[in-house]
Amino acid sequence: DIVMTQSPDSLAVSLGERATINCKSSQSVLHSSNNKNYLAWYQHKPGQPPKLLIFWASVRESGVPDRFSGSGSGTEFSLTISRLQTEDVAVYYCQQYYSTPGTFGQGTKVEIK
Amino acid sequence: EVQLVESGGGLVQPGGSLRLSCAASGFTFSYYDMSWVRQAPGKGLEWVSDISASGGNTDYADSVKGRFTISRDNSKNTLSLQMNSLRAEDTAVYYCAKGVACSRPSCSHLFDYWGQGTLVTVSS
Repeated sequence: DIVMTQSPDSLAVSLGERATINCKSSQSVLHSSNNKNYLAWYQHKPGQPPKLLIFWASVRESGVPDRFSGSGSGTEFSLTISRLQTEDVAVYYCQQYYSTPGTFGQGTKVEIK
Repeated sequence: EVQLVESGGGLVQPGGSLRLSCAASGFTFSYYDMSWVRQAPGKGLEWVSDISASGGNTDYADSVKGRFTISRDNSKNTLSLQMNSLRAEDTAVYYCAKGVACSRPSCSHLFDYWGQGTLVTVSS
């Protein structure tokens, strides 16, 4: 199975400031056949189901605010929240869907400083 | 509007059984692979099992293989997970999740909709 490792485990950011979460995969999730990175980001708030934010490493799901952006390729990826809002407090997971089982990172908890 | 509603969770003793269900609506259920994903208390997300759109192919995490059985009824838009020989480490919130349909290579483990989850507690 592909191992996904996120850093940091948690971070506290002031309102309106930038938050960046990193994700590394144990092998490349870039498919040579279509040049797509099989990498997604989810937001998970307590008592709610996970919500898909980003797929193909950088494509925002419909309705996701543009302060969320994803970048990276191959084995290294990032999720950036450009201007942190109160409603962004959550745990964020990266996930590869390049191969089954789709494996998740351990999660990064984002809080307000 | 896509809706996934899980049911069937509860408290069960070690070694016991439980059957989870997920009622789907708002999309053509028979077109999509479906999965169960769980989150143990204080832990991250773990994929448990999936089933192809037709129901003809299934897969399981090693941790549940031989104990859990996934199934679906496309005529009733329902996904199920039969859980036998339950262990304390199976305690978790179980989510059903809809896979995205892609042309090859598959992206069935990209989950665009999730249910609210149902809590399974295995304890004596």
